[in-house]
Amino acid sequence: GIQVEQSPPDLILQEGANSTLRCNFSDSVNNLQWFHQNPWGQLINLFYIPSGTKQNGRLSATTVATERYSLLYISSSQTTDSGVYFCAVERGNGTGRRALTFGSGTRLQVQP
Amino acid sequence: KAGVTQTPRYLIKTRGQQVTLSCSPISGHRSVSWYQQTPGQGLQFLFEYFSETQRNKGNFPGRFSGRQFSNSRSEMNVSTLELGDSALYLCASSSPGLAAYEQYFGPGTRLTVT
Repeated sequence: GIQVEQSPPDLILQEGANSTLRCNFSDSVNNLQWFHQNPWGQLINLFYIPSGTKQNGRLSATTVATERYSLLYISSSQTTDSGVYFCAVERGNGTGRRALTFGSGTRLQVQP
Repeated sequence: KAGVTQTPRYLIKTRGQQVTLSCSPISGHRSVSWYQQTPGQGLQFLFEYFSETQRNKGNFPGRFSGRQFSNSRSEMNVSTLELGDSALYLCASSSPGLAAYEQYFGPGTRLTVT
């Protein structure tokens, strides 16, 4: 199956700093999503980005499908950005079957 | 529009028992998928239901099963619980169709097996 690797596994930042999280995947995909898992376990959708670049406030993401990687940028980090960030992908199969493969996540801690 | 809902939110069971978890998708979504999250294995796909049929299945033993009703609500069942089944169980819903539309997750059910 498809492999998803996220880096770094852990990241500690001071409030106000910028960061870049990376997601590498081993095969072509037709879905790539970034999630933030809150302390209660819910996965919050950040971006649906199988290709291209998107921005939402202080967050932005870029997926270069031909080179099989995606980047999540967090600017001017805040303590509320703390948590685990997951990248998840799906391969296209033409059948409509769904199954996300998740990376192991990046645990971000933003210190005041 | 209401999000994905899951019940119950927390559950404590004893080894050997069985458990049923429920998931109601976003209105209009017909695909419902289930995932298990554990500290050791991370987030893993269990199965997907669409139009009351299991359309895709992950690599889990037959003790894990599910079903989907005509209103797209889904249940998953785990029989003969083992300590290793302690996990956060998440369900996700998405629009139907062949395209890989965005998936939305519920708050999860945290199962503890003692």
